[in-house]
Amino acid sequence: SAVISQKPSRDICQRGTSLTIQCQVDSQVTMMFWYRQQPGQSLTLIATANQGSEATYESGFVIDKFPISRPNLTFSTLTVSNMSPEDSSIYLCSVKGGTDTQYFGPGTRLTVL
Amino acid sequence: GNSVTQMEGPVTLSEEAFLTINCTYTATGYPSLFWYVQYPGEGLQLLLKATKADDKGSNKGFEATYRKETTSFHLEKGSVQVSDSAVYFCALSGGSNNNDMRFGAGTRLTVKP
Repeated sequence: SAVISQKPSRDICQRGTSLTIQCQVDSQVTMMFWYRQQPGQSLTLIATANQGSEATYESGFVIDKFPISRPNLTFSTLTVSNMSPEDSSIYLCSVKGGTDTQYFGPGTRLTVL
Repeated sequence: GNSVTQMEGPVTLSEEAFLTINCTYTATGYPSLFWYVQYPGEGLQLLLKATKADDKGSNKGFEATYRKETTSFHLEKGSVQVSDSAVYFCALSGGSNNNDMRFGAGTRLTVKP
């Protein structure tokens, strides 16, 4: 299984600002995913990020609000733009392994005041 | 589309009690099925998985059997410990939708000494 790290692990931000979350994997992977987990809720897929192409966003998520970069096969960033308190969540990245398995990073806990 | 329905909690048990968390799914094709565990303040960890009908996934005393006839993947443990207190997510991936992973709502388990 892949070892995934995320930075920052947590942050407290003011409304109207932006935060960029980094996801680093210890091996090259084709597909990376970004999820949001709102307080007490399950995971919701934000977008799928493949290296060398534009991210594919799920319904309800747009690039202007959640721009994603995927510069190489071991790294990706997710930016949460123009934040509001409703963006307070855990943001998780994951990578696809064998037999449809996904492995998750430890998450970034974001609080927006 | 694919979906997962999971027994909602919270579930509170005494140490050494028997645990069952129900999970049923709807999918086209032949998906893989997963249980993930989220300990307090952490990301998701893969607990176990099964990739085809009648497969049994097992790990750390937990078991789940892929039942195609009942479209179920119930999680069981014969004797829970306080350290098992966490949120458990049932998930599926693959089938006719190869890249998407769908999660259940999550079940919070608290084990009391």
